[in-house]
Amino acid sequence: NAGVTQTPKFQVLKTGQSMTLQCAQDMNHEYMSWYRQDPGMGLRLIHYSVGAGITDQGEVPNGYNVSRSTTEDFPLRLLSAAPSQTSVYFCASSPSGDGRAQHFGDGTRLSIL
Amino acid sequence: EDQVTQSPEALRLQEGESSSLNCSYTVSGLRGLFWYRQDPGKGPEFLFTLYSAGEEKEKERLKATLTKKESFLHITAPKPEDSATYLCAVQAWGASGSRLTFGEGTQLTVNP
Repeated sequence: NAGVTQTPKFQVLKTGQSMTLQCAQDMNHEYMSWYRQDPGMGLRLIHYSVGAGITDQGEVPNGYNVSRSTTEDFPLRLLSAAPSQTSVYFCASSPSGDGRAQHFGDGTRLSIL
Repeated sequence: EDQVTQSPEALRLQEGESSSLNCSYTVSGLRGLFWYRQDPGKGPEFLFTLYSAGEEKEKERLKATLTKKESFLHITAPKPEDSATYLCAVQAWGASGSRLTFGEGTQLTVNP
């Protein structure tokens, strides 16, 4: 099994550009989440989904959009990139939302110039 | 608001030198406390779940313990392959979705 796959692994953007970070899981998990990880800040929840068609905001949602049209995919969209969005982004999935069952991808390292 | 504080930020040990990492937390009704290991360039990997004060879990050289205010990750006779960042997270009852609150992590280096 591939688990949670994130693409791309690295990306450099200019301020104001838009892009979509892709996340796919092959474990048929209902719960999926996006986190960002910054030095000295720990992992912070951006958006999450409890199933196809259902999404909600986390701790730091501003500047990001999500949608969940299928169980497998949970893309994260940056509509107008800002330098403050330079970070490492992790996608996670779990069958029940329980923290013990969270499977993380290997991250997307995003730099905004 | 749920809060998690980990200490120290970084820890250097010699191979075989045992030590402990600390995770202090404030949460409105603890559903679970989780320890993860994160290697450079990788996502966090689940290690342990603790649910109630007094509970202990062990895996190889690692043992996690829980009190009402903090958790400890004890590392006995560590090896260089134990070098990683260790993350602590809490989940509260009623937390919508799969919301976890993470600490900043402790970066552990074990020298041969």
